Amino acid sequence: QVQLQESGPGLVKPSETLSLTCTVSGGSINNYYWSWIRQPPGKGLEWIGYIYNSRSTNYNPSLKSRVAIFADTSKNQFSLKLNSVTAADTAVYYCARDLGGYGDKFDYWGQGTLVTVSS
Amino acid sequence: QSALTQPASVSGSPGQSITISCTGTSSDVGGYNYVSWYQQHPGKAPKLIIYDVSNRPSGVSNRFSGSKSGNTASLTISGLQAEDEADYYCSSYTTSSTVVFGGGTKLTVL
Repeated sequence: QVQLQESGPGLVKPSETLSLTCTVSGGSINNYYWSWIRQPPGKGLEWIGYIYNSRSTNYNPSLKSRVAIFADTSKNQFSLKLNSVTAADTAVYYCARDLGGYGDKFDYWGQGTLVTVSS
Repeated sequence: QSALTQPASVSGSPGQSITISCTGTSSDVGGYNYVSWYQQHPGKAPKLIIYDVSNRPSGVSNRFSGSKSGNTASLTISGLQAEDEADYYCSSYTTSSTVVFGGGTKLTVL
């Protein structure tokens, strides 16, 4: 059974960098697409981006200038960095596996972690 | 990329059927059969209930079904049950090789 667990600071100051890590257990991160998805409080889901095989990435155009996703296969983890954050980046951040590779089968999700941007 | 359009809310009585629409463009919903639907209960992570327009993952009730016509996809829930009360989100692959979600629909079981 694949399990995902997000970790990282729950509070980030405006203009600083948000950093989160997703640890995957029960399966390798190799040969799968792994995404970050966020949900502002009381609002809908927003896809942030994916990483595949530790090198191939693609990002939401609205966030592309501020975001990076990278992987550490030795630790079976992938991470998110979002810089120059504002209050609008306050959200629950989820990591998820995309089994299909076309954003069509997010079959495993982490429980989500709330990140608040505030001074 | 703009979010897919879903009704903000729908409601139905136990045993009835409801349909939730998800409207996009030819660059997303209309261009690919990579439309998915997710169910989210309060405080929980979303759960995949339909993928590739009309396929159900193992373990998902056959009361959930999906379809697509042109730029609009639909999720139908038949035989409504109290446990179906949740938020529902559609998603689609896009021509930019990205993913776009709908704004979400709150289902109330009366």
